[in-house]
Amino acid sequence: AQRVTQPEKLLSVFKGAPVELKCNYSYSGSPELFWYVQYSRQRLQLLLRHISRESIKGFTADLNKGETSFHLKKPFAQEEDSAMYYCALFNYGGSQGNLIFGKGTKLSVKP
Amino acid sequence: DTEVTQTPKHLVMGMTNKKSLKCEQHMGHRAMYWYKQKAKKPPELMFVYSYEKLSINESVPSRFSPECPNSSLLNLHLHALQPEDSALYLCASSFRTALAKNIQYFGAGTRLSVL
Repeated sequence: AQRVTQPEKLLSVFKGAPVELKCNYSYSGSPELFWYVQYSRQRLQLLLRHISRESIKGFTADLNKGETSFHLKKPFAQEEDSAMYYCALFNYGGSQGNLIFGKGTKLSVKP
Repeated sequence: DTEVTQTPKHLVMGMTNKKSLKCEQHMGHRAMYWYKQKAKKPPELMFVYSYEKLSINESVPSRFSPECPNSSLLNLHLHALQPEDSALYLCASSFRTALAKNIQYFGAGTRLSVL
């Protein structure tokens, strides 16, 4: 079954510390993965997708097919990174496909 | 215009009311989506329209009725809702090109309270 697992509900770090938000997936085909972020009182927005292999706001994420993981990393956390982060998998099942979201990790960066 | 716009932002309705949520985008996207998001939970897919045709209906109760009048507009008609339907309703849209079809752009949502 297609599934996205984010094991941490809450991750709290100090400013300047490294941060890693974990995401594991279960998918029978070739996965297409995303990280979405939801800042307080703002809309859900795309942060990264694995096929772009880019760095946005200092965040990177590498797809590891062997470990079925797509962890989000940033070497030095900033207070403005505090938000809800969702890992999502595109499911090609059915006629058009859809996004499957993990339960989310709330990142809190303390001064 | 690079946004998905949802109206109203807030809606309070009784269980016997009929209301509609509206969503609009002018990015040329040909797929539009309705999601339901409860507090501190991820979005749950309700409906997908592709080229104005309903292509995914995730077994949503019939008291929710989607409509896609054209490629830029998406409505969600509500009738005889229950208090447990109170949630944030999100609209999203995406291209259908091979390169970008799976990136979804979300609206700010309509926060619905059913009394």
